[in-house]
Amino acid sequence: EVHLVESGGGLVQPGGSLRLSCAASGFTFSSYWMSWVRQAPGKGLEWVANIKQDGSEKYYVDSVKGRCTISRDNAKNSLYLQMNSLRAEDTAIYYCASNIVAAGYLDYWGQGTLVTVSS
Amino acid sequence: EIVLTQSPATLSLSPGERATLSCRASQNINHYLAWYQQKPGQAPRLLIYDASRRATGIPARFSGSGSGTDFTLTISSLEPEDFTVYYCQQRYKWPPEYTFGGGTKVEIK
Repeated sequence: EVHLVESGGGLVQPGGSLRLSCAASGFTFSSYWMSWVRQAPGKGLEWVANIKQDGSEKYYVDSVKGRCTISRDNAKNSLYLQMNSLRAEDTAIYYCASNIVAAGYLDYWGQGTLVTVSS
Repeated sequence: EIVLTQSPATLSLSPGERATLSCRASQNINHYLAWYQQKPGQAPRLLIYDASRRATGIPARFSGSGSGTDFTLTISSLEPEDFTVYYCQQRYKWPPEYTFGGGTKVEIK
């Protein structure tokens, strides 16, 4: 059974940094694209970043470019999101999601980790 | 950037009724569209991908149709657990771009 578990969220001051992690199990992690998607309180879904199987391609939504870095460790079956220069508008639940069944679609999701940016 | 517009924002129906949700793309996306269901406090769940293919374990009352710019999610007979929020998502320009629609809330009338 596919299992994705995020961690690393919390309360951080504007301008601060956080590193989110996602532990994957139940599938061959190294074979699939992975993504981060966020959801601000009471709002819709927003794709944040994704990364190719071997980490050779990484893409970001414009609003986080230059401030966030997605990475993965296939030996540890783990996905990461390093977030720097955090802003109030980055406050959201951050989900990691996989592209297993159908490329380009987010077929399995973690439960999410809440990031709150506030002074 | 491809924009997805979902309508209506809220759909008020009774259990057993048919629900028809719309998603319109700002340009042709062929059949590269998915639908997700999100219940309160939970992560989204993939329902439909490639416009009409049901994901694993999704009940047959959920169906998707459309191509090009206009897409529909139909719930043939609403069950109590279906009253929640639905999002569409396109992958026409993936990688890298994913775009989500703004969502439709299906509420009990």
